[in-house]
Amino acid sequence: GQQLNQSPQSMFIQEGEDVSMNCTSSSIFNTWLWYKQDPGEGPVLLIALYKAGELTSNGRLTAQFGITRKDSFLNISASIPSDVGIYFCAGRSTGGFKTIFGAGTRLFVKA
Amino acid sequence: DADVTQTPRNRITKTGKRIMLECSQTKGHDRMYWYRQDPGLGLRLIYYSFDVKDINKGEISDGYSVSRQAQAKFSLSLESAIPNQTALYFCATSEITWSGGINTGELFFGEGSRLTVL
Repeated sequence: GQQLNQSPQSMFIQEGEDVSMNCTSSSIFNTWLWYKQDPGEGPVLLIALYKAGELTSNGRLTAQFGITRKDSFLNISASIPSDVGIYFCAGRSTGGFKTIFGAGTRLFVKA
Repeated sequence: DADVTQTPRNRITKTGKRIMLECSQTKGHDRMYWYRQDPGLGLRLIYYSFDVKDINKGEISDGYSVSRQAQAKFSLSLESAIPNQTALYFCATSEITWSGGINTGELFFGEGSRLTVL
């Protein structure tokens, strides 16, 4: 089946640092999504990307839909302690209606 | 109040027991899903339903069954629980929206049900 490879698995950073994580697929996707899961909560959608090459921001978060349609990245600028959590990439292939998730990147921010 | 509510939030049970996890939503969405989260594996789809009369298997449906009792209710059952079904289970909903031929109805998740099978 389709798989998403998300990296890194975990990151330990200092408050104020910028963060970058990415996701790759072996097949072409027409939708890339980034979710965040806070401890004890369900994932919440951060950014949705529907067009190859699209670059979208949401506050300190920026995500891009790769032009090959097989990858996406998420950047977080000037990290703060509340950025702690698990970040999931997710996507759907052309004509698909099932959302597939990566394994997640666990982010730790030291104040 | 949460738009997608799961009960119970935590459950400890023994091998062989029947377990039901319930999900109700007030978002008015037609589509409902059950996902399972395991460390290092992300979220994997167990079952999904696009309306009350539509039930579909996801990638890991073995050992699970579902019931869509109403548009707002979707329950997940483990007929005979086993230890490797210990996991965090999420219900999610989505609406049917399209833009330029692309499905743009994204998932809204409940807060999760943590199940431990001893």
